[in-house]
Amino acid sequence: NAGVMQNPRHLVRRRGQEARLRCSPMKGHSHVYWYRQLPEEGLKFMVYLQKENIIDESGMPKERFSAEFPKEGPSILRIQQVVRGDSAAYFCASSPTSDYEQYFGPGTRLTVT
Amino acid sequence: AQSVTQPDIHITVSEGASLELRCNYSYGATPYLFWYVQSPGQGLQLLLKYFSGDTLVQGIKGFEAEFKRSQSSFNLRKPSVYWSDAAEYFCAVGAYNQGGKLIFGQGTELSVKP
Repeated sequence: NAGVMQNPRHLVRRRGQEARLRCSPMKGHSHVYWYRQLPEEGLKFMVYLQKENIIDESGMPKERFSAEFPKEGPSILRIQQVVRGDSAAYFCASSPTSDYEQYFGPGTRLTVT
Repeated sequence: AQSVTQPDIHITVSEGASLELRCNYSYGATPYLFWYVQSPGQGLQLLLKYFSGDTLVQGIKGFEAEFKRSQSSFNLRKPSVYWSDAAEYFCAVGAYNQGGKLIFGQGTELSVKP
């Protein structure tokens, strides 16, 4: 059973470009979470999704950030018009239910130049 | 407000010595508690979890943790550390029927000297 997959592992964008981060949960997991880790900090919750639904987006910045988890395909975290402050590691986690441990992917390290 | 505090940013221990990493939480609901480990440039690996029952939980790699409700703590312990245990350790808390969101501490970086 493959683990949580994220791609790309490293992403470089210039200021003003768009970043798309993809997450494929573990087989059988329908709950996906996105977290952001800024340098020298712990992980901060961003958004929680189930198939075709956003359940909790209380940690998402109000502008430029969006997330989806379509019926088919991976979950996507989209950052429009990136700025240097968006440089961070973005981790995706999945679980079979909301009351279960979360399994983390390897992360996508976004660098904005 | 919900929060997790790991008071020690960086700890250095000698190989073979015992280890205790501290974690305190503030959470209104009945907590789920986790310890994760992160090696440089890698994702997070679950070491152990507490949902209910026995307050002393065993995890992988010889780690254990004890949930103390009266102290709002969930400290991680290992009787004898190896150089390969050097990594960043994160304590996290969630809650039953709260949607699965985890609150993470700032992390404790563990260095192991020979």
